[in-house]
Amino acid sequence: LAKTTQPISMDSYEGQEVNITCSHNNIATNDYITWYQQFPSQGPRFIIQGYKTKVTNEVASLFIPADRKSSTLSLPRVSLSDTAVYYCLVGDAGNNRKLIWGLGTSLGVNP
Amino acid sequence: EPEVTQTPSHQVTQMGQEVILRCVPISNHLYFYWYRQILGQKVEFLVSFYNNEISEKSEIFDDQFSVERPDGSNFTLKIRSTKLEDSAMYFCASLPRDTAYEQYFGPGTRLTVT
Repeated sequence: LAKTTQPISMDSYEGQEVNITCSHNNIATNDYITWYQQFPSQGPRFIIQGYKTKVTNEVASLFIPADRKSSTLSLPRVSLSDTAVYYCLVGDAGNNRKLIWGLGTSLGVNP
Repeated sequence: EPEVTQTPSHQVTQMGQEVILRCVPISNHLYFYWYRQILGQKVEFLVSFYNNEISEKSEIFDDQFSVERPDGSNFTLKIRSTKLEDSAMYFCASLPRDTAYEQYFGPGTRLTVT
């Protein structure tokens, strides 16, 4: 499974758009990209998944360039409740779907 | 919305004791997982379970650990003889099918070994 690298922490303000970029230089053809959110003392929660180009849902957008060596999670107009750790994961579709986690990006949203 | 539940929310035990952590995955899901997260550290994969057997386990999941799905609804993680370093949050997760991507996580059980 490809290793991922993302910033340890980011700070933003309410109402701002936040973009968190993750690099996964060794991503394989079968790998897909998912992002999870985790609040303190809670289980992770799925945000979005993609393979290439752009994916958008009611929570976020995910941008994946053609070479797929990176991906960017975009959170529009963040609020205080978006303060959490965000994890980028690269998963092998055939590998029991197990998730291998990095340290994630701790996002702080200020008023 | 259906959710994964875990009990207890917090378990305190003495070193050397056996503990059983319980999970009820979402009812029509087929794949089940245990992960753990030591305080301040990253989430770690322990084991995956499908069709009533372990499909993969990590190096952490040694002979002290076992999993069971005894009655078609509960999914349990047993630690036979707990060590101080087993203190962590333990998360259960489930996946509806092998073509899905979203794992549904429970709220976790905080295990404290004294």
